[in-house]
Amino acid sequence: KNQVEQSPQSLIILEGKNCTLQCNYTVSPFSNLRWYKQDTGRGPVSLTIMTFSENTKSNGRYTATLDADTKQSSLHITASQLSDSASYICVVSGGEHDMRFGAGTRLTVKP
Amino acid sequence: DTAVSQTPKYLVTQMGNDKSIKCEQNLGHDTMYWYKQDSKKFLKIMFSYNNKELIINETVPNRFSPKSPDKAHLNLHINSLELGDSAVYFCASSQGMRISTSGVSETQYFGPGTRLLVL
Repeated sequence: KNQVEQSPQSLIILEGKNCTLQCNYTVSPFSNLRWYKQDTGRGPVSLTIMTFSENTKSNGRYTATLDADTKQSSLHITASQLSDSASYICVVSGGEHDMRFGAGTRLTVKP
Repeated sequence: DTAVSQTPKYLVTQMGNDKSIKCEQNLGHDTMYWYKQDSKKFLKIMFSYNNKELIINETVPNRFSPKSPDKAHLNLHINSLELGDSAVYFCASSQGMRISTSGVSETQYFGPGTRLLVL
């Protein structure tokens, strides 16, 4: 069973709307949690990195939250744009060389 | 451009062949990685390597071997290719792997991927 579960699997929203993607994990011990954006046919691009002491971090219109107690993270996208259409991948590190990847949420933003 | 680059972008080959994928980074990073992304879009780490140590994911078959001629390159060599090796392979790099005293982790920079199809 994957230790990083993302939901929803796919999401379609209209341009300008907000959305929230979820990431639940069971990785332990916990080191850090990252959100990546992966455009079709491209490599992942880092959006945010959070350690256990951080519970929110923003990168432009992207805001990630982390609740280390409940082992949940969310990625909130504000005022979506067509270019936000991509897969969003949650990655949880349990140690120096241990990175567990979620399957991703496929976001489609329609005009 | 400063980036992580991979060649080739596409690779179609016959089962049983040996092939290599090249990766280069000009970001001055000391750690490089290889990932495999399967048809279900799961990214799985295969190797992480810096000039001191190679960490191998134990699930990776020994037909796969990373080769690093220098700090800026980490090539992936695959022997006796199998149908199940068909996937997208991503190279990545970062400056170090440890969390610094400030608590901020390093950022990984990914290459564009190599799409391997084994027939």
